[in-house]
Amino acid sequence: GQQVMQIPQYQHVQEGEDFTTYCNSSTTLSNIQWYKQRPGGHPVFLIQLVKSGEVKKQKRLTFQFGEAKKNSSLHITATQTTDVGTYFCAGRGASGTYKYIFGTGTRLKVLA
Amino acid sequence: EPEVTQTPSHQVTQMGQEVILRCVPISNHLYFYWYRQILGQKVEFLVSFYNNEISEKSEIFDDQFSVERPDGSNFTLKIRSTKLEDSAMYFCASTRVAGVADTQYFGPGTRLTVL
Repeated sequence: GQQVMQIPQYQHVQEGEDFTTYCNSSTTLSNIQWYKQRPGGHPVFLIQLVKSGEVKKQKRLTFQFGEAKKNSSLHITATQTTDVGTYFCAGRGASGTYKYIFGTGTRLKVLA
Repeated sequence: EPEVTQTPSHQVTQMGQEVILRCVPISNHLYFYWYRQILGQKVEFLVSFYNNEISEKSEIFDDQFSVERPDGSNFTLKIRSTKLEDSAMYFCASTRVAGVADTQYFGPGTRLTVL
Protein backbone atom coordinates (compact mmCIF):
# COMPACT_ATOMS: atom_id res chain seq x y z
CA GLY A 1 0.00 0.00 0.00
CA GLN A 2 0.90 3.66 -0.20
CA GLN A 3 3.66 4.73 2.19
CA VAL A 4 4.77 8.24 3.03
CA MET A 5 8.14 8.78 4.67
CA GLN A 6 9.64 11.94 6.09
CA ILE A 7 13.21 12.86 6.86
CA PRO A 8 14.69 13.73 9.18
CA GLN A 9 12.82 12.14 12.07
CA TYR A 10 14.15 14.75 14.50
CA GLN A 11 15.84 18.10 14.04
CA HIS A 12 17.29 20.38 16.67
CA VAL A 13 18.19 23.87 15.50
CA GLN A 14 19.32 27.07 17.13
CA GLU A 15 16.78 29.86 17.00
CA GLY A 16 17.34 31.80 13.80
CA GLU A 17 18.60 28.83 11.80
CA ASP A 18 16.68 27.42 8.87
CA PHE A 19 14.87 24.06 8.88
CA THR A 20 13.71 21.74 6.12
CA THR A 21 11.69 18.54 6.23
CA TYR A 22 11.29 16.26 3.22
CA CYS A 23 8.33 14.05 2.41
CA ASN A 24 8.46 11.13 -0.03
CA SER A 25 5.58 9.00 -1.21
CA SER A 26 5.84 5.51 -2.68
CA THR A 27 3.09 6.38 -5.16
CA THR A 28 2.03 9.43 -7.17
CA LEU A 29 -0.20 11.79 -5.22
CA SER A 30 -3.17 13.83 -6.32
CA ASN A 31 -2.42 16.44 -3.66
CA ILE A 32 -0.53 16.85 -0.43
CA GLN A 33 -1.30 18.63 2.82
CA TRP A 34 0.99 19.78 5.60
CA TYR A 35 0.09 19.83 9.29
CA LYS A 36 1.75 21.04 12.47
CA GLN A 37 1.19 19.28 15.76
CA ARG A 38 2.36 20.97 18.94
CA PRO A 39 3.37 18.69 21.83
CA GLY A 40 0.15 17.35 23.38
CA GLY A 41 -1.95 18.92 20.66
CA HIS A 42 -3.80 17.89 17.55
CA PRO A 43 -2.77 18.26 13.91
CA VAL A 44 -3.45 21.73 12.57
CA PHE A 45 -3.77 22.23 8.83
CA LEU A 46 -1.10 24.47 7.32
CA ILE A 47 -1.47 24.26 3.55
CA GLN A 48 -2.45 22.14 0.57
CA LEU A 49 -0.50 21.70 -2.68
CA VAL A 50 -2.16 20.34 -5.79
CA LYS A 51 -0.17 21.17 -8.91
CA SER A 52 3.06 19.59 -10.05
CA GLY A 53 6.00 21.85 -9.11
CA GLU A 54 3.78 24.13 -7.03
CA VAL A 55 5.45 26.42 -4.50
CA LYS A 56 3.51 28.26 -1.81
CA LYS A 57 4.72 30.60 0.91
CA GLN A 58 3.27 31.50 4.27
CA LYS A 59 5.44 34.14 5.94
CA ARG A 60 8.63 32.22 6.89
CA LEU A 61 7.31 28.87 5.60
CA THR A 62 7.86 27.69 2.02
CA PHE A 63 6.13 24.57 0.72
CA GLN A 64 7.02 22.78 -2.48
CA PHE A 65 5.40 19.92 -4.40
CA GLY A 66 7.69 17.91 -6.65
CA GLU A 67 7.36 17.74 -10.42
CA ALA A 68 6.48 14.05 -10.27
CA LYS A 69 3.99 14.66 -7.43
CA LYS A 70 5.71 12.08 -5.27
CA ASN A 71 7.63 14.35 -2.95
CA SER A 72 7.27 17.59 -1.09
CA SER A 73 9.20 19.79 1.26
CA LEU A 74 8.60 22.35 3.96
CA HIS A 75 11.28 24.96 4.62
CA ILE A 76 11.20 27.34 7.57
CA THR A 77 13.46 30.39 7.40
CA ALA A 78 14.89 31.82 10.62
CA THR A 79 13.18 29.48 13.06
CA GLN A 80 11.56 30.80 16.22
CA THR A 81 10.73 28.98 19.45
CA THR A 82 7.06 29.06 18.41
CA ASP A 83 7.93 26.75 15.49
CA VAL A 84 8.48 23.85 17.90
CA GLY A 85 6.34 20.81 17.10
CA THR A 86 6.01 17.89 14.75
CA TYR A 87 5.41 18.59 11.07
CA PHE A 88 3.47 15.99 9.11
CA CYS A 89 2.82 15.76 5.43
CA ALA A 90 -0.31 13.87 4.35
CA GLY A 91 -0.73 12.64 0.82
CA ARG A 92 -3.79 11.56 -1.07
CA GLY A 93 -3.28 8.89 -3.71
CA ALA A 94 -4.03 9.62 -7.35
CA SER A 95 -6.28 6.60 -7.85
CA GLY A 96 -9.71 7.82 -6.79
CA THR A 97 -9.22 7.58 -3.05
CA TYR A 98 -10.21 10.33 -0.64
CA LYS A 99 -8.15 9.20 2.32
CA TYR A 100 -4.90 10.83 3.36
CA ILE A 101 -1.85 8.85 4.38
CA PHE A 102 0.21 10.74 6.91
CA GLY A 103 3.97 10.82 6.79
CA THR A 104 6.14 9.69 9.66
CA GLY A 105 6.62 13.28 10.84
CA THR A 106 9.62 15.45 11.66
CA ARG A 107 9.90 16.66 15.23
CA LEU A 108 11.46 20.11 15.40
CA LYS A 109 13.07 21.47 18.51
CA VAL A 110 14.27 25.08 18.52
CA LEU A 111 16.90 26.04 21.05
CA ALA A 112 16.82 29.65 22.23
CA GLU B 1 -14.03 30.08 14.29
CA PRO B 2 -16.01 26.80 14.15
CA GLU B 3 -14.21 23.78 15.52
CA VAL B 4 -14.51 20.04 15.86
CA THR B 5 -15.14 18.91 19.42
CA GLN B 6 -14.53 15.51 20.98
CA THR B 7 -15.59 13.86 24.23
CA PRO B 8 -14.30 12.59 26.50
CA SER B 9 -10.81 14.04 26.48
CA HIS B 10 -9.50 10.96 28.28
CA GLN B 11 -11.06 7.52 28.61
CA VAL B 12 -9.65 4.73 30.73
CA THR B 13 -11.12 1.27 30.25
CA GLN B 14 -10.44 -2.35 31.04
CA MET B 15 -9.39 -4.73 28.29
CA GLY B 16 -12.43 -6.36 26.70
CA GLN B 17 -14.77 -3.48 27.49
CA GLU B 18 -16.65 -1.49 24.87
CA VAL B 19 -15.93 2.20 24.43
CA ILE B 20 -17.67 4.90 22.44
CA LEU B 21 -15.77 7.99 21.44
CA ARG B 22 -17.83 11.00 20.44
CA CYS B 23 -17.21 13.79 18.00
CA VAL B 24 -19.19 16.80 16.88
CA PRO B 25 -17.93 17.84 13.44
CA ILE B 26 -18.22 21.37 12.09
CA SER B 27 -21.88 21.94 11.31
CA ASN B 28 -21.81 22.41 7.52
CA HIS B 29 -19.23 19.70 6.91
CA LEU B 30 -20.23 16.57 5.06
CA TYR B 31 -17.22 14.26 5.32
CA PHE B 32 -16.00 12.78 8.58
CA TYR B 33 -12.91 10.85 9.53
CA TRP B 34 -11.39 8.99 12.43
CA TYR B 35 -7.64 8.74 12.87
CA ARG B 36 -5.55 7.31 15.64
CA GLN B 37 -2.08 8.19 16.86
CA ILE B 38 -0.14 5.86 19.11
CA LEU B 39 2.09 7.89 21.44
CA GLY B 40 5.07 9.31 19.59
CA GLN B 41 4.05 7.85 16.25
CA LYS B 42 2.39 9.07 13.09
CA VAL B 43 -1.29 9.76 12.51
CA GLU B 44 -3.02 6.70 11.04
CA PHE B 45 -6.21 6.77 8.98
CA LEU B 46 -9.00 4.56 10.30
CA VAL B 47 -12.18 5.36 8.40
CA SER B 48 -13.99 7.98 6.35
CA PHE B 49 -17.75 8.50 6.38
CA TYR B 50 -20.07 10.30 4.00
CA ASN B 51 -23.80 10.28 3.44
CA ASN B 52 -24.37 7.96 6.37
CA GLU B 53 -22.05 5.26 5.19
CA ILE B 54 -18.41 4.29 5.31
CA SER B 55 -16.49 5.57 2.27
CA GLU B 56 -13.14 3.97 2.99
CA LYS B 57 -11.50 2.13 5.84
CA SER B 58 -8.01 0.95 6.66
CA GLU B 59 -6.76 -2.49 7.66
CA ILE B 60 -6.78 -1.28 11.28
CA PHE B 61 -10.57 -0.77 11.12
CA ASP B 62 -11.59 -4.39 11.61
CA ASP B 63 -14.93 -5.75 12.79
CA GLN B 64 -14.20 -4.58 16.35
CA PHE B 65 -14.68 -1.02 15.14
CA SER B 66 -17.83 0.70 13.98
CA VAL B 67 -18.90 4.26 13.26
CA GLU B 68 -22.26 5.92 13.41
CA ARG B 69 -23.89 9.26 12.94
CA PRO B 70 -26.84 8.79 15.29
CA ASP B 71 -28.27 12.27 14.81
CA GLY B 72 -27.52 15.41 12.83
CA SER B 73 -24.52 16.44 14.87
CA ASN B 74 -22.68 13.55 16.55
CA PHE B 75 -20.25 11.15 14.90
CA THR B 76 -19.16 8.20 17.03
CA LEU B 77 -16.46 5.56 16.97
CA LYS B 78 -17.20 2.37 18.86
CA ILE B 79 -14.63 -0.23 19.80
CA ARG B 80 -16.49 -3.37 20.76
CA SER B 81 -13.91 -5.24 22.82
CA THR B 82 -10.86 -3.14 23.55
CA LYS B 83 -7.34 -4.55 23.46
CA LEU B 84 -4.19 -3.17 25.06
CA GLU B 85 -2.92 -2.13 21.63
CA ASP B 86 -5.97 0.10 21.13
CA SER B 87 -4.41 2.55 23.59
CA ALA B 88 -3.83 5.69 21.54
CA MET B 89 -5.04 9.19 20.83
CA TYR B 90 -8.12 9.13 18.60
CA PHE B 91 -8.77 12.16 16.45
CA CYS B 92 -11.93 13.02 14.61
CA ALA B 93 -11.72 15.28 11.56
CA SER B 94 -14.20 16.78 9.17
CA THR B 95 -14.18 18.47 5.78
CA ARG B 96 -16.78 20.50 3.98
CA VAL B 97 -16.18 18.74 0.68
CA ALA B 98 -14.04 15.87 -0.53
CA GLY B 99 -11.51 16.25 -3.29
CA VAL B 100 -8.74 18.72 -3.96
CA ALA B 101 -10.59 21.61 -2.30
CA ASP B 102 -10.87 20.06 1.14
CA THR B 103 -9.22 21.13 4.37
CA GLN B 104 -9.32 18.71 7.25
CA TYR B 105 -10.16 20.19 10.65
CA PHE B 106 -9.08 17.99 13.52
CA GLY B 107 -10.66 17.80 16.93
CA PRO B 108 -8.57 17.92 20.11
CA GLY B 109 -8.62 14.13 20.41
CA THR B 110 -9.61 11.51 22.96
CA ARG B 111 -6.81 9.73 24.76
CA LEU B 112 -7.85 6.09 25.19
CA THR B 113 -6.01 4.05 27.79
CA VAL B 114 -6.75 0.31 27.90
CA LEU B 115 -5.62 -1.45 31.06
